[in-house]
Amino acid sequence: NAGVMQNPRHLVRRRGQEARLRCSPMKGHSHVYWYRQLPEEGLKFMVYLQKENIIDESGMPKERFSAEFPKEGPSILRIQQVVRGDSAAYFCASSPPDQGASYEQYFGPGTRLTVT
Amino acid sequence: ILNVEQSPQSLHVQEGDSTNFTCSFPSSNFYALHWYRWETAKSPEALFVMTLNGDEKKKGRISATLNTKEGYSYLYIKGSQPEDSATYLCAFKSASKLTFGTGTRLQVTL
Repeated sequence: NAGVMQNPRHLVRRRGQEARLRCSPMKGHSHVYWYRQLPEEGLKFMVYLQKENIIDESGMPKERFSAEFPKEGPSILRIQQVVRGDSAAYFCASSPPDQGASYEQYFGPGTRLTVT
Repeated sequence: ILNVEQSPQSLHVQEGDSTNFTCSFPSSNFYALHWYRWETAKSPEALFVMTLNGDEKKKGRISATLNTKEGYSYLYIKGSQPEDSATYLCAFKSASKLTFGTGTRLQVTL
């Protein structure tokens, strides 16, 4: 029973390039969350998706960042024209379909993005 | 802006000591309070999800309490062991997201 998978684990991009981060939720989970950990900071919520729907993107920067969770395949966090300030660890979490407020979010190992 | 605060920021104890940390959160729009354990280079691991005022949960030597009216939760570790060394995060759940505190970094030495 595989946990939440993220790839790549490490990603190096030059300024101006695009970064694509992938997240495969746990089997049976239909909710995906993306969090970012900037250097010396805590985990910050970015976006919450269900299959084919963005539910809450209040933590996403308005420009250059987008997320999707298609009907088939992993969730993708896409960062266009990366800048040095995008260097961070990006974590994905998943949870099962709503069963009230008590469900856990299960985290993946994260993708460490370095922008040079 | 939601404010979730944890104290202390870091803690250094000897093996066998018991310890506790605090998480403070808004007392309005409360859905749940999550505790996670996060070891370096690993994923955050869920410890507890607490939803009701007065909740007490226990897992082995680790337990937690919840007071939603005054907006705080305590995490207790009894008889700390070196393998308990990690960062302990609490997270306040509102309708659709978790807002994390910055964590308490625990170091347990022999």
